[in-house]
Formats: sequence, structure tokens, C-alpha cells
Amino acid sequence: DAGVIQSPRHEVTEMGQEVTLRCKPISGHDYLFWYRQTMMRGLELLIYFNNNVPIDDSGMPEDRFSAKMPNASFSTLKIQPSEPRDSAVYFCASSSRPEGQPQHFGDGTRLSIL
Amino acid sequence: KQEVTQIPAALSVPEGENLVLNCSFTDSAIYNLQWFRQDPGKGLTSLLLIQSSQREQTSGRLNASLDKSSGRSTLYIAASQPGDSATYLCAVSPSNDMRFGAGTRLTVKP
Repeated sequence: DAGVIQSPRHEVTEMGQEVTLRCKPISGHDYLFWYRQTMMRGLELLIYFNNNVPIDDSGMPEDRFSAKMPNASFSTLKIQPSEPRDSAVYFCASSSRPEGQPQHFGDGTRLSIL
Repeated sequence: KQEVTQIPAALSVPEGENLVLNCSFTDSAIYNLQWFRQDPGKGLTSLLLIQSSQREQTSGRLNASLDKSSGRSTLYIAASQPGDSATYLCAVSPSNDMRFGAGTRLTVKP
């Protein structure tokens, strides 16, 4: 299996621009997670989906952030408008059964907002 | 709110030494606990997962223990190697999501 695939690997853009991060989970995994990692706050869960339905989005910092999962093989995390404080590494992870199976992480998207 | 703490924040040891990384959590109502490894510029790799009903898990030179009642877990690495140098994160699942510690940055010197 190819693992969790994220794109782009790096994104540099100016504040105010729309940013879209993409994720392809491992085939057959019913759960998909979006995390953000910063030096100050560590790794934080933003939102997770089960069978393409958002279950818990309490970690989404503001209305500027939105996430969708239109089908079992694709998810997006969108920031509009972006701000410098959104600069971080964003990870996507998937799992078949989180209580008993490990989460598999992608290599992340390093986002820099100038 | 579940809080996860890892001690020490950084550790440097000579090659061949056995070592222990510590993780503590405030709420014992968890589904499982996972230990991850993160290399610079990379995502997280799951090392061991201990379900709430289990006490320990082993994989090669790694052994992780879980004491839910005291809110503690340890990761034991035997005969450390330079290739073990990475950041090790502990994460607990209060439900289907996860709460992470800040990690321990391990350096194993040749």
C-alpha cells in the first residue's frame, strides 16, 4: 500500500490567499484525521471523519478553516483567508479502527504564510 | 480535558545504552495509548499500540508498558543505536481521536 499521501509537501503563499491541502487516505480506512503541528502547541487534532462524515471539528481554530471529505479516497483542508499564524506542518492520518489499530500518518504539508 | 506530559524533553545517550522514556496522562478513561517516532521533516510512524485492557507491548528492542490507574506509560529501548535518534511521541485516545504529548527528542551518539 502507498500509505497516506498528502499534497503539496510545501506551500508558501501570502497572507489573505486561499490555501487548499489535500489528502488521500489508505484504501479501506474508515477514519481520517487532520492535525496541525507547531513548535509552540505541538500536535493538535483539528477534525476527524468517519465514513466521510465529520465527527468532531472542535479543534478547528476558526471559521477560516474548513474540511471536506467528498469520498472515501480524498479529503481537503482549506484555509481562507490565510494568516501568518496559520504557518505550521499539517498532517493527515487514517485508521481502520482507531480504538484498536494504529493511525498511519502522511509526511505532512509544510505551510508558510508570509 | 486530557493532558499528556512527556519527560524528559530531550535525552542524549551513548550507543548501546538502555533507556526509558516516560509519558503521563491525566484521565485514565482511554481506549488506547500509542508511541510514535518522528524523524525531522517526516510524519509520525507508529511504534507500539497498547489497548486499554493490555499492560504492555513489545516489538524488537522496544517495550511499552501501560498503567492506566496511575496514568503512566513507559517506552523502553534496549541497546540503543544511532538510528534510534528521533523524537518519540506518546498519544492517548480518549475516544476515536488522539491527544499527543510534546515528545522526547532522543540523540544516540556513536
